[in-house]
Amino acid sequence: AAGVIQSPRHLIKEKRETATLKCYPIPRHDTVYWYQQGPGQDPQFLISFYEKMQSDKGSIPDRFSAQQFSDYHSELNMSSLELGDSALYFCASSPKDRFNYGYTFGSGTRLTVV
Amino acid sequence: KNEVEQSPQNLTAQEGEFITINCSYSVGISALHWLQQHPGGGIVSLFMLSSGKKKHGRLIATINIQEKHSSLHITASHPRDSAVYICAVDDDGGADGLTFGKGTHLIIQP
Repeated sequence: AAGVIQSPRHLIKEKRETATLKCYPIPRHDTVYWYQQGPGQDPQFLISFYEKMQSDKGSIPDRFSAQQFSDYHSELNMSSLELGDSALYFCASSPKDRFNYGYTFGSGTRLTVV
Repeated sequence: KNEVEQSPQNLTAQEGEFITINCSYSVGISALHWLQQHPGGGIVSLFMLSSGKKKHGRLIATINIQEKHSSLHITASHPRDSAVYICAVDDDGGADGLTFGKGTHLIIQP
């Protein structure tokens, strides 16, 4: 079965550079969630989108922005990267009725800022 | 904001042992999730619970809503069960975004 696809799997950037992470939900999932998991940390919710509109916002820095496109894939744009942004960024997707159908998670993008 | 506590943080057991991981949370939830994370980061959803008990193969998950507590059990544990097991909750307020526990790092030795 198709899963949530994230690209790239690994990314190395220098400080102050920009990065774009992509998330492709599974078919018929219209909601995408982004999470950041720092080394040894539990994941923190960043932002979510439903039907191409921002649904909810968590602890996303102002340097980051995201959007969802007409094919429901989402992109997380990160600017002025800092060393502390090094983390695993994973996304999850769900139908709107997530309390009956739950979430499917991607394998994540591991971002290293040097 | 919900506080999610897991215990133990680390668990090493012998193959075949019965494993229990516990999770407690502080405020009402819409659903509780048990997730499995392998080295490299990929997360697999094991269970979503809002009441009672679910079983899938050698895995059993239970939840007690009144006590705000859930357990994940693994019967006849196997080295391939070695992973980080994470409890995460959907808060009752309807806001997006799961609140995660810090995970239980399980190692099953042959």
